[in-house]
This record gives sequence, C-alpha cells and structure tokens, in this order.
Amino acid sequence: QKEVEQNSGPLSVPEGAIASLNCTYSDRGSQSFFWYRQYSGKSPELIMFIYSNGDKEDGRFTAQLNKASQYVSLLIRDSQPSDSATYLCAATGSANNLFFGTGTRLTVIP
Amino acid sequence: EAGVAQSPRYKIIEKRQSVAFWCNPISGHATLYWYQQILGQGPKLLIQFQNNGVVDDSQLPKDRFSAERLKGVDSTLKIQPAKLEDSAVYLCASSLDRVGTGGLADTQYFGPGTRLTVL
Repeated sequence: QKEVEQNSGPLSVPEGAIASLNCTYSDRGSQSFFWYRQYSGKSPELIMFIYSNGDKEDGRFTAQLNKASQYVSLLIRDSQPSDSATYLCAATGSANNLFFGTGTRLTVIP
Repeated sequence: EAGVAQSPRYKIIEKRQSVAFWCNPISGHATLYWYQQILGQGPKLLIQFQNNGVVDDSQLPKDRFSAERLKGVDSTLKIQPAKLEDSAVYLCASSLDRVGTGGLADTQYFGPGTRLTVL
C-alpha cells in the first residue's frame, strides 16, 4: 500500500512568516509530486508540482524534493491570512494516479 | 476554459438506497479520476479511466460501487446500496496526459465535488 504521510497540524504562523509543510512518501517508484491547497468546503487546487531533486520556486511558494530521503516539502514565504487552508501532498503511483496524504491544516494569524 | 463539472453538488439519502454522480471533464482531457474524500482525510482514488478504458479500479468497492465512462468523455459513479460509511465528498478530476512527458504525471484538475450524506 503506497502511503504519503503529513503532519496533520494544525500549524499556526504569524502573518509575514515562513510556513514549512512536510511530507514523506513510501513508494520509491514515485516520480511526480504535487501540492494542492484545499479551502474548507472546496475542492483541491494545484499549488505546485515537482519532478526533480532540489528546489522549485513559484512566487511565494518553494517546493523541495529529496528522492533519496523520500521527502517533499513546501515553503510559503510572507504568509498571508488567505493562505489559511489545508495543504495536501500527493505522490504518483504506477499509473500516474495520485496518493494523497491526510493534509496539513495551516492557519496564518493576522 | 471550462473546468470539471459535477452534479449534483449535494445529495442526502438513506442507507440501502442508490445514488449516482455525474462528471464532465475538461475538454480534451483523456484521463478521468473519481476520488472519495472522507472528512479530515485526503482524497482516495476509487477509479481511473483513460479515454473509456479502466486503468486502475483497485480501491473501488466493487460490491456496491460502479463507474462508467461511455464515449470517453463524461462519467457516472454509482453506489448501490449505500452504507453510512459512504458519507463523503466524491471528487472528479481530469488530466490531459500529454504524450512525450517521459512518464511524468500531468496535473489533475478537480471539480467542485458532490457531498453525499447517508442517513
């Protein structure tokens, strides 16, 4: 059974701080990794994807991948109250389907 | 570009009744997914179609759940009979699945979901 594990939180950070979200995955064959944001009562929306070891930056968001450690992270710089949501980490299976973690709930305090 | 459409948005039924959900993917997206998301958990894949063929249905409870994707476009997911533990949000997603990506996954785009309550 492929597993993706996340700290469920809640994680609270003050406005303007850096939020760090972490994820580990069990399947060494996973090639693609995704971070989705889910507001309460809404469906997941893509934040970033990463395929290669290292960092990938997009605006205030940076995804980090370490395949040797089977570890993925998402950094949110200059956190805003609108970033308050649940962040879902996902890794691909053999058919490029996604296995999701349980999500980390982030609260940004004004 | 229109997103993934789902209906109904909400459904309340009693246990042992049947229910069906409909999904229309983004135009041109070859792959369609149905997920079940129980409150407090991440989405769990139920079934994955590529065009009108099933790629993965290993986590679909086939004694009560069925799904089809006729003509490789829209899809229906049915539960019959429903149990209390089926209360969840049912999410449909689609992806383009371009050729030549070296096996890397394309982004999945999610519809608004159908919230099912089984009483």
